[in-house]
Amino acid sequence: EAGVAQSPRYKIIEKRQSVAFWCNPISGHATLYWYQQILGQGPKLLIQFQNNGVVDDSQLPKDRFSAERLKGVDSTLKIQPAKLEDSAVYLCASSFAGSRSYEQYFGPGTRLTVT
Amino acid sequence: AQRVTQPEKLLSVFKGAPVELKCNYSYSGSPELFWYVQYSRQRLQLLLRHISRESIKGFTADLNKGETSFHLKKPFAQEEDSAMYYCALTGGSYIPTFGRGTSLIVHP
Repeated sequence: EAGVAQSPRYKIIEKRQSVAFWCNPISGHATLYWYQQILGQGPKLLIQFQNNGVVDDSQLPKDRFSAERLKGVDSTLKIQPAKLEDSAVYLCASSFAGSRSYEQYFGPGTRLTVT
Repeated sequence: AQRVTQPEKLLSVFKGAPVELKCNYSYSGSPELFWYVQYSRQRLQLLLRHISRESIKGFTADLNKGETSFHLKKPFAQEEDSAMYYCALTGGSYIPTFGRGTSLIVHP
């Protein structure tokens, strides 16, 4: 089966610019996650969707970050305006819904550099 | 609040030596625990989960609720085990938390 797709794979922008990332989860996976992974740290959950509803966005910096999952399939994560500290790998993952023990499947990530 | 602690940033061993990657968690309820692995230039992927109680690639992990630990063990390390290992917890709210990761290097 096809895995989780993300684009772009790399992005370099200047601070105060905006950027958007796209994720296409595995077909049939109702739960979708966006993580931020700063160099040397573990993935930090930014937002979790189940279908097109938000399960948790407590760690999403809402003054600059936004995410949506229209129609409960693809998702986009946007940063506007970007700061230097947003430089990180942004990971998208998906899983089946309904059990805490379900495995998450990760995409390849988007490496963002803010200069 | 739930938290996952991986105290070692780096673990370096020789091939054939035993390996133990430590993971401690903080969670008031009954957690679901996982080990994920990321090999060089590959995606993050599940290695094992505590509910399955299985051995994957020779690795095992036992949930110790008394010590709030879920250490990953392998009796004889192989060079191909070199990777980043992340311990993760999902609580009752279905929200996952990852540790900072341990880099395992297995020398020939």
